[in-house]
Amino acid sequence: GAGVSQSPSNKVTEKGKDVELRCDPISGHTALYWYRQSLGQGLEFLIYFQGNSAPDKSGLPSDRFSAERTGGSVSTLTIQRTQQEDSAVYLCASSLAFWQSQETQYFGPGTRLLVL
Amino acid sequence: AQTVTQSQPEMSVQEAETVTLSCTYDTSENNYYLFWYKQPPSRQMILVIRQEAYKQQNATENRFSVNFQKAAKSFSLKISDSQLGDTAMYFCAFMKPGGFQKLVFGTGTRLLVSP
Repeated sequence: GAGVSQSPSNKVTEKGKDVELRCDPISGHTALYWYRQSLGQGLEFLIYFQGNSAPDKSGLPSDRFSAERTGGSVSTLTIQRTQQEDSAVYLCASSLAFWQSQETQYFGPGTRLLVL
Repeated sequence: AQTVTQSQPEMSVQEAETVTLSCTYDTSENNYYLFWYKQPPSRQMILVIRQEAYKQQNATENRFSVNFQKAAKSFSLKISDSQLGDTAMYFCAFMKPGGFQKLVFGTGTRLLVSP
């Protein structure tokens, strides 16, 4: 596709349930990033992928959060045993590899997660 | 650690006028990238303009231009001839060079353009 896509667009879940959020980056982009946008915390970095590996997991808020990327393309962010404080918009971005010098990150439309 | 500060939570401007959004940052890096992103109600973060710190010339993109003051660590966005479609949240962001770097965002400025 032409841009970064994310699904679902909106997700409502009950506290304690697991959720999976999907990101499909721009074709050819090696780097993939997850951010969280919440009212209290603003925009915060969660994790990034360099190909299929995630060298920096420092932004994940707890061990209930995990992410994977397969085939250097689609990524899934999984939140286990969701809590109400997980309610936020989860944004995905992708960019070309660093040796291309073009490091601008392009964002998807986000997934709005509401935990009841 | 880098920090980005946007001191204007909300701004208003009338159509066709000019408005300037402020951004300051703190870093010990000499080379880095600065960005302005726009987030309309649709939620999609859209790149407005990008500046490399090693370039002294201020970046411009049509009606959008920046005033980059490296010594003052200031990076303001000027929107000329404001249009109703410019209504959105605007985020200033910092990124270290070297690839695979995270963006550090400010808290955003909500801009309302009125007829």
